[in-house]
Amino acid sequence: AIVLNQSPSSIIASQGEKVTITCRASSSISSNYLHWYQQKPGAFPKLVIYSTSYRASGVPSRFSGSGSGTSYSFTISRVEAEDVATYYCQQGSSNHYTFGAGTKLELK
Amino acid sequence: QIQLVQSGPELKKPGESVKISCKASGYTFTDYAMHWVKQAPGKGLKWMGWINTYTGKPTYADDFKGRFVFSLEASASTANLQISNLKNEDTATYFCARHNYGSYGYFDYWGQGVMVTVSS
Repeated sequence: AIVLNQSPSSIIASQGEKVTITCRASSSISSNYLHWYQQKPGAFPKLVIYSTSYRASGVPSRFSGSGSGTSYSFTISRVEAEDVATYYCQQGSSNHYTFGAGTKLELK
Repeated sequence: QIQLVQSGPELKKPGESVKISCKASGYTFTDYAMHWVKQAPGKGLKWMGWINTYTGKPTYADDFKGRFVFSLEASASTANLQISNLKNEDTATYFCARHNYGSYGYFDYWGQGVMVTVSS
């Protein structure tokens, strides 16, 4: 199975700051198959970005994604208080899907 | 509206079995695969596998072969996860999530999760 190495494991940011999370795949995947989720405490995960760079319905424009091959990134251009959550990358390119280990975003 | 509604929390003893349900509504059940995702307390998301809602064929991740069974009650638009011979390490929240067969493997709707606690 494709392993997704996500970093950092945690981020402490100030409101208005830009944050970037990286997801590296153990083998190359098509950018169509790399996705990002947001999970707030006690809630189910929510799709934020699909196919590397497309925002899911209702997702604010401060969220963006990019990448190709084995290296992908997820960016929040200006962090807001409501963005406190854990973020996960996920690949759906093989018959066996995988998630990254998650990045916990906290506010300073 | 589209919903995946899961059954309630479970408290079980080691060695027992549990069956969790995920009832879909608001869309054509057989147009979307149903996946299962485990989240142990304080841990990340772990993909368990999926079931083809059209054929009923399950696919299991390596760590979930043997004691885990995915099944369908297609007439009721419901997917089920059964875990037998429960172990303490099965204590977790279990989510169902759908994925459109024509899409690129992302989960656009999730169930609310079921907390399964295994304790003697």
